[in-house]
Amino acid sequence: RKEVEQDPGPFNVPEGATVAFNCTYSNSASQSFFWYRQDCRKEPKLLMSVYSSGNEDGRFTAQLNRASQYISLLIRDSKLSDSATYLCAVGLYNFNKFYFGSGTKLNVKP
Amino acid sequence: NAGVTQTPKFQVLKTGQSMTLQCAQDMNHNSMYWYRQDPGMGLRLIYYSASEGTTDKGEVPNGYNVSRLNKREFSLRLESAAPSQTSVYFCASSERLNEQFFGPGTRLTVL
Repeated sequence: RKEVEQDPGPFNVPEGATVAFNCTYSNSASQSFFWYRQDCRKEPKLLMSVYSSGNEDGRFTAQLNRASQYISLLIRDSKLSDSATYLCAVGLYNFNKFYFGSGTKLNVKP
Repeated sequence: NAGVTQTPKFQVLKTGQSMTLQCAQDMNHNSMYWYRQDPGMGLRLIYYSASEGTTDKGEVPNGYNVSRLNKREFSLRLESAAPSQTSVYFCASSERLNEQFFGPGTRLTVL
């Protein structure tokens, strides 16, 4: 079983749509949670950290559900520039390392 | 600040050749990581170094070795390259389990 699982997509949505991604993790000892954005042939870059109480950054909202062991990312009012692959990552404190999901591809169309 | 730098950006090897991928960070981070990324597989951890002087295996360490040369530099060595090691390699650094910063990647092809 993979440590972190994501739906690979692609999610094809029109501009202005709201889209949500989920990411499940298997290790209940996971302690830090992130969403990264990766553009084609580029390195991943942090989109946002995910906090226990949930957090928002402009059009992006991230939530953590420890009981069900998943994190989510909601993108409102999608822009063409949001087209990318979104990777979730979880950090394991005791091992000081991260596990990444395989990524969810988003295509925002005019 | 350059952040995380990697060299080379591209490399083509023949089966059996060796090479070292270089990585350096200027953010004074304690932890450094090497990942490989293959289509549909996401980022898989090869080796990591939680602090200067320590290294540990990740999910896919076979065929690789690493050296944490100092706090800034963490190199990845392929002793005898195989076609299965064709991939994009990313180096990253972080301060404990905070945000990771990635280098631009090395695209390696093994023929």
